[in-house]
Amino acid sequence: DAGVIQSPRHEVTEMGQEVTLRCKPISGHDYLFWYRQTMMRGLELLIYFNNNVPIDDSGMPEDRFSAKMPNASFSTLKIQPSEPRDSAVYFCASSRLYGYTFGSGTRLTVV
Amino acid sequence: GQQLNQSPQSMFIQEGEDVSMNCTSSSIFNTWLWYKQDPGEGPVLLIALYKAGELTSNGRLTAQFGITRKDSFLNISASIPSDVGIYFCAGQQSIIQGAQKLVFGQGTRLTINP
Repeated sequence: DAGVIQSPRHEVTEMGQEVTLRCKPISGHDYLFWYRQTMMRGLELLIYFNNNVPIDDSGMPEDRFSAKMPNASFSTLKIQPSEPRDSAVYFCASSRLYGYTFGSGTRLTVV
Repeated sequence: GQQLNQSPQSMFIQEGEDVSMNCTSSSIFNTWLWYKQDPGEGPVLLIALYKAGELTSNGRLTAQFGITRKDSFLNISASIPSDVGIYFCAGQQSIIQGAQKLVFGQGTRLTINP
């Protein structure tokens, strides 16, 4: 199994631009999670899906953030417009019941 | 919201020493997990604990699920250079939909002097 695959690994963008992060979960996992990691706030849950349906998006910072899961093998996290304070590492993780498997993350820098 | 208090925040030890870190919560969790994160990578699951009082080992790692279900500890024996990284505890309340999400501690950054 290839694990959870995220792309891109690194993204540098200018303030105001749209950013799209991508995730392919492990086949057979029916939960998908998006996390953001910063030095100040640690790992923060943004949103999670079960069977492609958003279950809890209470961690999404504001309307500039949106996430979709059109099918069981693909999810996107979009930031529009991006701001410097969005700079962080964004992780996708998937699971069945217990624990998660994380991807390697996307390091986003907004300048 | 739910929080896990993980301590210590950082540790500086000599190679070969034992390491101990712990996590406490004001909420009950039914599953406790310990993850390790290497630089530039996502957290990787080390040990999962499913039952109060459970003591589980994985090589040089030993973790326990507190009897009150509000705490857990992780011990690493005879540390080696590849143990360097950030260790996270995580609690999961339930596998029932809506409670499946993990709550993470703030992490313990382990540095080892050779």
